[in-house]
Amino acid sequence: RKEVEQDPGPFNVPEGATVAFNCTYSNSASQSFFWYRQDCRKEPKLLMSVYSSGNEDGRFTAQLNRASQYISLLIRDSKLSDSATYLCVVTSGGGADGLTFGKGTHLIIQP
Amino acid sequence: DAGVIQSPRHEVTEMGQEVTLRCKPISGHDYLFWYRQTMMRGLELLIYFNNNVPIDDSGMPEDRFSAKMPNASFSTLKIQPSEPRDSAVYFCAGGDGSNYGYTFGSGTRLTVV
Repeated sequence: RKEVEQDPGPFNVPEGATVAFNCTYSNSASQSFFWYRQDCRKEPKLLMSVYSSGNEDGRFTAQLNRASQYISLLIRDSKLSDSATYLCVVTSGGGADGLTFGKGTHLIIQP
Repeated sequence: DAGVIQSPRHEVTEMGQEVTLRCKPISGHDYLFWYRQTMMRGLELLIYFNNNVPIDDSGMPEDRFSAKMPNASFSTLKIQPSEPRDSAVYFCAGGDGSNYGYTFGSGTRLTVV
């Protein structure tokens, strides 16, 4: 089983819709979780950290389910500019140890 | 802050040549990572440093790859000799080990022909 798994998509979603995708991780000792966004031919950029209690940043909501070992990202009122690849990142230890990226979920917002 | 600076942005080289990629991290970031990204394998961690010391190089593909961090403001990734299968985008990233994520450079797109 891969350490971090994501549905590669693409997810084709009409503008204004709500879209959600998950990421599963295999290491139950994983401690820190992030969502990154990567635009075509650009570097990954931190979108948001994922906290145990869940967290929201504007139209974006991230949640963590430790029991089932997955994190989720929900995007409300999607915009054309949300089109990108969303990468799930999991660390297995304190600090920077074991930083592992999923291969990403490709999201396309259609007008 | 100029962010993480990588050079060159693009590199095209012939098989067998030596390639050196460079990275200048953000001041104050104690951790520095080298990643490689391909369509097939996604983002792979090659090596990372903490306070200039290599901590985990288990992701380095083989002996042809080497990385150094002589000081807190500079790191290199060297491939010698290069092979076509090394063609990828190589990213340098840095962080302070907190829960605030990591900052990536713009990457070096390497093509080995």
